[in-house]
Amino acid sequence: GAGVSQSPSNKVTEKGKDVELRCDPISGHTALYWYRQRLGQGLEFLIYFQGNSAPDKSGLPSDRFSAERTGESVSTLTIQRTQQEDSAVYLCASSLDHTPGYEQYFGPGTRLTVT
Amino acid sequence: GQNIDQPTEMTATEGAIVQINCTYQTSGFNGLFWYQQHAGEAPTFLSYNVLDGLEEKGRFSSFLSRSKGYSYLLLKELQMKDSASYLCAAKYMDSSYKLIFGSGTRLLVRP
Repeated sequence: GAGVSQSPSNKVTEKGKDVELRCDPISGHTALYWYRQRLGQGLEFLIYFQGNSAPDKSGLPSDRFSAERTGESVSTLTIQRTQQEDSAVYLCASSLDHTPGYEQYFGPGTRLTVT
Repeated sequence: GQNIDQPTEMTATEGAIVQINCTYQTSGFNGLFWYQQHAGEAPTFLSYNVLDGLEEKGRFSSFLSRSKGYSYLLLKELQMKDSASYLCAAKYMDSSYKLIFGSGTRLLVRP
């Protein structure tokens, strides 16, 4: 079946502009995660959605970052007033459940470059 | 903090065996994942360990020692396509869903 998809695959934006990144999880996956991966670094947790529960936003680096998810479907990550340090690959993942052992399936990522 | 440590880079020869180590903080530990990530691609799941011991899956095996805060990924009969980054990630009991990732080990397989 279809995997996790993300769009756009690449985004170049000017400093100060807002960007919106989209994630389509695997159908039926209740859990959805956003991560940031800077060049040569590991994945940094940003936010987690589980069904209709309140999201865990503890990883968002500043109030310029926000994310929404409609039910158990599409999620969007919005970065306002982008800065050069926001340049990274933004990865979305989904899993069937959040309990330990359920693997996360990752999308191909959106490479964001802020000039 | 919950630091995950793994070597930055390793080099090995096609057909050989390589072991990639990962250490983590043991307090509240609740499971360890290994992911493979080819350059420019999404991470893909390799293994999950929660109990001590070795889990074998074809050419790849993963080992865990909970008391020592140590895991390794063992790759046998290396192939050129195994050149990738290998990410170690731990779960802790304070969060059932959050994965704490190491920076990854970049493996280069040479002919």
